[in-house]
Amino acid sequence: DAKTTQPPSMDCAEGRAANLPCNHSTISGNEYVYWYRQIHSQGPQYIIHGLKNNETNEMASLIITEDRKSSTLILPHATLRDTAVYYCIVRVNAGGTSYGKLTFGQGTILTVHP
Amino acid sequence: IAGITQAPTSQILAAGRRMTLRCTQDMRHNAMYWYRQDLGLGLRLIHYSNTAGTTGKGEVPDGYSVSRANTDDFPLTLASAVPSQTSVYFCASRASGAFTGELFFGEGSRLTVL
Repeated sequence: DAKTTQPPSMDCAEGRAANLPCNHSTISGNEYVYWYRQIHSQGPQYIIHGLKNNETNEMASLIITEDRKSSTLILPHATLRDTAVYYCIVRVNAGGTSYGKLTFGQGTILTVHP
Repeated sequence: IAGITQAPTSQILAAGRRMTLRCTQDMRHNAMYWYRQDLGLGLRLIHYSNTAGTTGKGEVPDGYSVSRANTDDFPLTLASAVPSQTSVYFCASRASGAFTGELFFGEGSRLTVL
């Protein structure tokens, strides 16, 4: 799986958009970009994933650059409850024996303040 | 509410003792995983199972064993606990064939080995 690089920490004002970057310059053509977050003392929670097109769901938007070497997770209206560690992961979304292993890095600590 | 249940939530254990962390899911997911989380090291995969009856080693399998006798249960055993195994342990599951690739995590088991 490709390695990812994220800033260790970011701040965001409540109600503003939080834009979390991730670099994955060695990503392969069949590797997806996944985002998870972990709120303090809880298990990680899936947010969104994508291959090359931008994606949006009820939680966030994922913007992937055309060369796929970087991406940005956007929380459109951050709330205090969005304070968490955000993990960007790239991996192959395929079946067989490689199915399912996700390697979590250090992530970005997002602090949303009033 | 369907999901993953881990037990115990917290345990203090003397070094050298045997300990089994329990994990049960009621989503009929084929794939299950054990991670440990340590400050500064993120989440690291210990063992995984793609389906009942099969298991595989992750990044940090030494000192741990798992079994997968049925779909729902995936216990993690420390045969002879050591202080370096002090950590928070997360169990996760995933539906094989699910395109989203979403991992569902339990709430964690905090283990302290003295």
